[in-house]
Amino acid sequence: QKEVEQNSGPLSVPEGAIASLNCTYSDRGSQSFFWYRQYSGKSPELIMSIYSNGDKEDGRFTAQLNKASQYVSLLIRDSQPSDSATYLCAVNEGSARQLTFGSGTQLTVLP
Amino acid sequence: EAGVAQSPRYKIIEKRQSVAFWCNPISGHATLYWYQQILGQGPKLLIQFQNNGVVDDSQLPKDRFSAERLKGVDSTLKIQPAKLEDSAVYLCASSPGAQETQYFGPGTRLLVL
Repeated sequence: QKEVEQNSGPLSVPEGAIASLNCTYSDRGSQSFFWYRQYSGKSPELIMSIYSNGDKEDGRFTAQLNKASQYVSLLIRDSQPSDSATYLCAVNEGSARQLTFGSGTQLTVLP
Repeated sequence: EAGVAQSPRYKIIEKRQSVAFWCNPISGHATLYWYQQILGQGPKLLIQFQNNGVVDDSQLPKDRFSAERLKGVDSTLKIQPAKLEDSAVYLCASSPGAQETQYFGPGTRLLVL
């Protein structure tokens, strides 16, 4: 059973702080990793994808991948109240390389 | 570019009734996915189509769920008969090809009473 685990939260940070979201996965053959943001009552929207070890930055977001440790993280710098949402980690796993999602981490940014 | 369209947005039915959901993917996207998202959980893949062929339906409860994508564009997902535990959001997503970035539609919220 392929698994994607996230710290369930909820996670609260003050406005302007760095929010750190973590994810581990079980399939060592996974090659593609994604972070989706999901506002309450809305569908997931892609915010970052990462395929190689190391860091990938996009604006206030940084994704970090360590395939040896089977670990992927998302850092949100200068957190804003509008970042309050559930963040879903997703990994291409299995023989068909289907997208497997974690259960999400609920983030609240306090004004 | 128009996004993934789904209908209906909300549906309330009684257990043992049937229901169908419709999805129109982003134009030109060959791969279409149906996910089930139960409250508090991440989306779970039910079925993946590549054009009009099924790539993966290993998590589709085939005794009650069926899906088709006859012309390689639109798709329908049907539940017959529905159970209480089918209450969830049903998300359709599409991507240009398999393993590429997936774009989600707004979802259909199903409540089974």
